[in-house]
Amino acid sequence: KAGVTQTPRYLIKTRGQQVTLSCSPISGHRSVSWYQQTPGQGLQFLFEYFSETQRNKGNFPGRFSGRQFSNSRSEMNVSTLELGDSALYLCASSLNTRGLSGAPTTDTQYFGPGTRLTVL
Amino acid sequence: DQQVKQNSPSLSVQEGRISILNCDYTNSMFDYFLWYKKYPAEGPTFLISISSIKDKNEDGRFTVFLNKSAKHLSLHIVPSQPGDSAVYFCAASLYNNNDMRFGAGTRLTVKP
Repeated sequence: KAGVTQTPRYLIKTRGQQVTLSCSPISGHRSVSWYQQTPGQGLQFLFEYFSETQRNKGNFPGRFSGRQFSNSRSEMNVSTLELGDSALYLCASSLNTRGLSGAPTTDTQYFGPGTRLTVL
Repeated sequence: DQQVKQNSPSLSVQEGRISILNCDYTNSMFDYFLWYKKYPAEGPTFLISISSIKDKNEDGRFTVFLNKSAKHLSLHIVPSQPGDSAVYFCAASLYNNNDMRFGAGTRLTVKP
């Protein structure tokens, strides 16, 4: 089974521009989460999409947005880029299993290789 | 707001010895914890997890210990191997929520 893929792998932009990153989850996975990794900050949760709807959102400004398509592929968009947006952006997919009560449970997330964004 | 903390940015151990990576969290509502390993130029890969109803989970050379009263978990690797050299992230979440909070990571170096 193919893993999570992300495109592009590397990107260089200038301040003020906008960027769109793409993520294709593992086949059958319906949940896609996005994370930002910067040195010393670890991975910070951006948002999670499930069934084309944003289900969870981290503490990032509105310049960061995303969407999910019917085939579970997801895109993340950052508008008006700032120097501090330079980071590795990781997406992760998961099955979205449900517990006995029917409520969603925490799944093991499988990460893609990331997109390295550099803002000049 | 760093709810999950890994206070040691790096750790170096000799091959064959035990590696102990530590993680602290502040949110007592977290009830599911995971460890991920990350090699350069790759995304994190899942290693081992533990739910709050347990205090220990073992998988081969890897054991995770959870101390809920201290809000502390640790990952033990015994025996350590040079191939274990990587950055290790701990993560925590609520059991019904995929919003995981990660620590900043600890770089483990296992010397031959």
